Amino acid sequence: DQQVKQNSPSLSVQEGRISILNCDYTNSMFDYFLWYKKYPAEGPTFLISISSIKDKNEDGRFTVFLNKSAKHLSLHIVPSQPGDSAVYFCAASARQGAQKLVFGQGTRLTINP
Amino acid sequence: EAEVAQSPRYKITEKSQAVAFWCDPISGHATLYWYRQILGQGPELLVQFQDESVVDDSQLPKDRFSAERLKGVDSTLKIQPAELGDSAMYLCASSLGRTANEKLFFGSGTQLSVL
Repeated sequence: DQQVKQNSPSLSVQEGRISILNCDYTNSMFDYFLWYKKYPAEGPTFLISISSIKDKNEDGRFTVFLNKSAKHLSLHIVPSQPGDSAVYFCAASARQGAQKLVFGQGTRLTINP
Repeated sequence: EAEVAQSPRYKITEKSQAVAFWCDPISGHATLYWYRQILGQGPELLVQFQDESVVDDSQLPKDRFSAERLKGVDSTLKIQPAELGDSAMYLCASSLGRTANEKLFFGSGTQLSVL
């Protein structure tokens, strides 16, 4: 029962262009969403989050969009830089009932020079 | 910047042996989590502590896995006996509050290989 899905295992983008990573969820109780970035041999690091009361949150080059009706969120990185090459995990939770954070399978982003 | 400390970074063991991982969360963080990440998959929660108490261990294979956080600070995760399918990255994370849906700070993980 995969409640959070990242259907693209990998994505390749040219440096300077926009990277768009997608995430779908099935649990309508989810109301808090996060993106984590992971380099090889390191733990995930927090990137950006969004609450269900918003449909957009921006932090520098990173913007997360939430479409509640479609149960879909996306992470936009613009402009993409070589240091952005990593695995990106989408995660979701339901604050009511303090349910655990559920992660997607991850998308490996490669930024080409 | 404070970090979550984990050791060892890498562990190679033979099946049926015992292994143990250690985690020291960020000082003052009440909640500690152990996650397992299999290559190509996302992290999966094994156990969650709030202070010294277990609040979620529903995905912990209790016949072979055990975890403790005796003084509500550092924590140990043990596997006995290890099986081939236990090969994975074991990640420890901590959060300041007492809910399961806050920003988590992860350690660098322990990469376990069972031969």
